[in-house]
Amino acid sequence: KAGVTQTPRYLIKTRGQQVTLSCSPISGHRSVSWYQQTPGQGLQFLFEYFSETQRNKGNFPGRFSGRQFSNSRSEMNVSTLELGDSALYLCASATGSGYGYTFGSGTRLTVV
Amino acid sequence: AQTVTQSQPEMSVQEAETVTLSCTYDTSESDYYLFWYKQPPSRQMILVIRQEAYKQQNATENRFSVNFQKAAKSFSLKISDSQLGDAAMYFCAYRSAERDDKIIFGKGTRLHILP
Repeated sequence: KAGVTQTPRYLIKTRGQQVTLSCSPISGHRSVSWYQQTPGQGLQFLFEYFSETQRNKGNFPGRFSGRQFSNSRSEMNVSTLELGDSALYLCASATGSGYGYTFGSGTRLTVV
Repeated sequence: AQTVTQSQPEMSVQEAETVTLSCTYDTSESDYYLFWYKQPPSRQMILVIRQEAYKQQNATENRFSVNFQKAAKSFSLKISDSQLGDAAMYFCAYRSAERDDKIIFGKGTRLHILP
């Protein structure tokens, strides 16, 4: 059974640009969540999608957005990148609330 | 709002010894799930162990076990016979069973294994 796949693994962008990160969940998992991980702030929740609908949202500015497709694949987009957006972005999928997440390997975004 | 606190930013343990990582949480809910995740240098988060709040019995997974104290809102992780491959960041996490909500993570404890 394939795991959660995130692409790309590494990304370098310039301030002001926008970026799209992709996540393919485990087959059958309808919930996809995104987290931002930084050394100072730890794991911060961005949003969760379930059956193409945003079910939960964290406290991030509107520059951060996401979506989920009918095959459960999800993308997150960050527009007008800032230096502070440099982080590891983790995607996780789940089959149900009580089963925890299965995480992908993350996308390391560096904004210069 | 629920919170998860890991008071030990870093810990070290001798190979083959036992170590306990602490975690406390705050919630007004009675039904929830608790998790421990491991993040090695490869950065992939791996689920180590899961506990359902309404189950009194402490969860175990091979060398990993928890001490779940619901009244004290404490959920510590014990690693027995520590191995070099256990070196990682460990995150304690909480998820409500009463609402469709996100998993809340603690700040993590970095565990070093001394050969």
